[in-house]
Amino acid sequence: QKEVEQNSGPLSVPEGAIASLNCTYSDRGSQSFFWYRQYSGKSPELIMFIYSNGDKEDGRFTAQLNKASQYVSLLIRDSQPSDSATYLCAVNWSNYGQNFVFGPGTRLSVLP
Amino acid sequence: EAEVAQSPRYKITEKSQAVAFWCDPISGHATLYWYRQILGQGPELLVQFQDESVVDDSQLPKDRFSAERLKGVDSTLKIQPAELGDSAMYLCASSLAESTDTQYFGPGTRLTVL
Repeated sequence: QKEVEQNSGPLSVPEGAIASLNCTYSDRGSQSFFWYRQYSGKSPELIMFIYSNGDKEDGRFTAQLNKASQYVSLLIRDSQPSDSATYLCAVNWSNYGQNFVFGPGTRLSVLP
Repeated sequence: EAEVAQSPRYKITEKSQAVAFWCDPISGHATLYWYRQILGQGPELLVQFQDESVVDDSQLPKDRFSAERLKGVDSTLKIQPAELGDSAMYLCASSLAESTDTQYFGPGTRLTVL
């Protein structure tokens, strides 16, 4: 059973702070990792993806992957109230095509 | 910008009735996914198509759910009969094909079963 775990939150941070969202996964053979943002009542939208160990930065977002520890995280710098949403971690364990397992999501609240 | 289309956006039905949802993926996307998302949970894959073929339907409750993608383009997901526990958001997503490709989600269909 392939599992993806996230702290459901809510995670509350003040505006301008760094928000740190964490995700662990059970399948050591997992290949690629995606972070999606989902506003209430809306569909998920991709923030970024990462395949290799280390950090990947895109604007205010940084994804960090540690395959040995089976851990992936998302850092949001200079958090804004508009970042308040649920953040879904998705793990793809297939080399051929995509077989996604989503975590339950972490609800982030950025306080003005 | 190309988008995944879904209809209807909202559906209210009574238990034991039949419902159907439609999805039109981004043009050229070979892979199509149907997910169910219960409030407060992450999306759960119901069925995955590669062109017109089912790649994975291991989580699809086949006694009441069916899905088809006859011409390898748009797709229909049907529930018959609907049960109270089927109330959820039904999301369709599409991607090109490779493992590193992004899945793009449609707006979803919110189903309420009374």
